[in-house]
Amino acid sequence: AQTIHQWPVAEIKAVGSPLSLGCTIKGKSSPNLYWYWQATGGTLQQLFYSITVGQVESVVQLNLSASRPKDDQFILSTEKLLLSHSGFYLCAWTPVQDTQYFGPGTRLLVL
Amino acid sequence: DAKTTQPDSMESTEGETVHLPCSHATISGNEYIYWYRQVPLQGPEYVTHGLQQNTTNSMAFLAIASDRKSSTLILPHVSLRDAAVYHCIRMQQGTGSKLSFGKGAKLTVSP
Repeated sequence: AQTIHQWPVAEIKAVGSPLSLGCTIKGKSSPNLYWYWQATGGTLQQLFYSITVGQVESVVQLNLSASRPKDDQFILSTEKLLLSHSGFYLCAWTPVQDTQYFGPGTRLLVL
Repeated sequence: DAKTTQPDSMESTEGETVHLPCSHATISGNEYIYWYRQVPLQGPEYVTHGLQQNTTNSMAFLAIASDRKSSTLILPHVSLRDAAVYHCIRMQQGTGSKLSFGKGAKLTVSP
């Protein structure tokens, strides 16, 4: 069975601190992977997408970066968090014909 | 303009059949209509999608107008679990396809 896992589930971080969020896909080789962000009460925005290892395209940066170090792994990071980075981060993947399926998400609070 | 138009909200009662409308008057011939739903603090859940023909699955029936300028998501016999924000999205399938979420339509289900 194909599964998508995100870590951590939730995090509280200080402004200016670094951040690393992870997403892992199991059961599907070479999936397209996506990062989304949703501010509290806001709409979901696509940040990055990747179709293969080592290749990441930026849609909306928000002072964040993404990397795909392995076929089944997608990382979202920044060296300095801003208050505006608070929100809900979602990883998504496409196992079949571009239909995107979302992970459980990571809640981030920046203080 | 890749936007769609949905009502802000709709109300229903358990057991009813709900019709959620969506207008996409400028849709291109190669754009699919996708429906997702989202409840707070969870990632969007894929509901269904279609191009030209009506489609049906275990969750819903998607009726697409013959001119493709509108569609209706039909939820039979709704339960409290169907309460969510429903998103109607246009998307051109292909590498790195971008899902653009708007505010969606909030469906309230009363006992």
